[in-house]
Amino acid sequence: DTAVSQTPKYLVTQMGNDKSIKCEQNLGHDTMYWYKQDSKKFLKIMFSYNNKELIINETVPNRFSPKSPDKAHLNLHINSLELGDSAVYFCASSPGRGKLFFGSGTQLSVL
Amino acid sequence: AQKVTQAQTEISVVEKEDVTLDCVYETRDTTYYLFWYKQPPSGELVFLIRRNSFDEQNEISGRYSWNFQKSTSSFNFTITASQVVDSAVYFCALDNYDKIIFGKGTRLHILP
Repeated sequence: DTAVSQTPKYLVTQMGNDKSIKCEQNLGHDTMYWYKQDSKKFLKIMFSYNNKELIINETVPNRFSPKSPDKAHLNLHINSLELGDSAVYFCASSPGRGKLFFGSGTQLSVL
Repeated sequence: AQKVTQAQTEISVVEKEDVTLDCVYETRDTTYYLFWYKQPPSGELVFLIRRNSFDEQNEISGRYSWNFQKSTSSFNFTITASQVVDSAVYFCALDNYDKIIFGKGTRLHILP
């Protein structure tokens, strides 16, 4: 069983479209994250949720909207996609104090 | 401000050499955690180690060792007798109340 699974693995879309990435964890953790990794491999936190509540929102454009229907799921919806949104998006869950369990990443390419 | 600096962008060594990856951090907090993560060419991110700010003992795990020095705000990672499978991007990270900040990573090439 995959601990943190995110879908899809690859997402290719046109500018202006809306897309979603789903994430699920079966580790029983309360905290989940979205990270963005750019082409230079820089990992930047976007959002953090603890038990369905938004804890961290790192000045991400409001075209990005996370949703956590329950503590095992954290989805990311992106409106009006732009070229600069092309990146790898990682979901992660944590039992606390920084130990992160990452999903395998979603490579988003905006054309 | 919380910050993690990995000054080495890219390192290449020949297999079986030892290599040290540097990490320097900044934080105003007295309680914090430091981490190393590995990202091999396949792309997944793998947890390697966590250290809390009160524990300055060095740690060894097989060919990997970590040197934490609060006096210099450093948390360096050494791979002994490197192997080709160690080729990856390595990230140092700092946890500040569950906001985990990553350094920019060091890309390590182990040449056969």
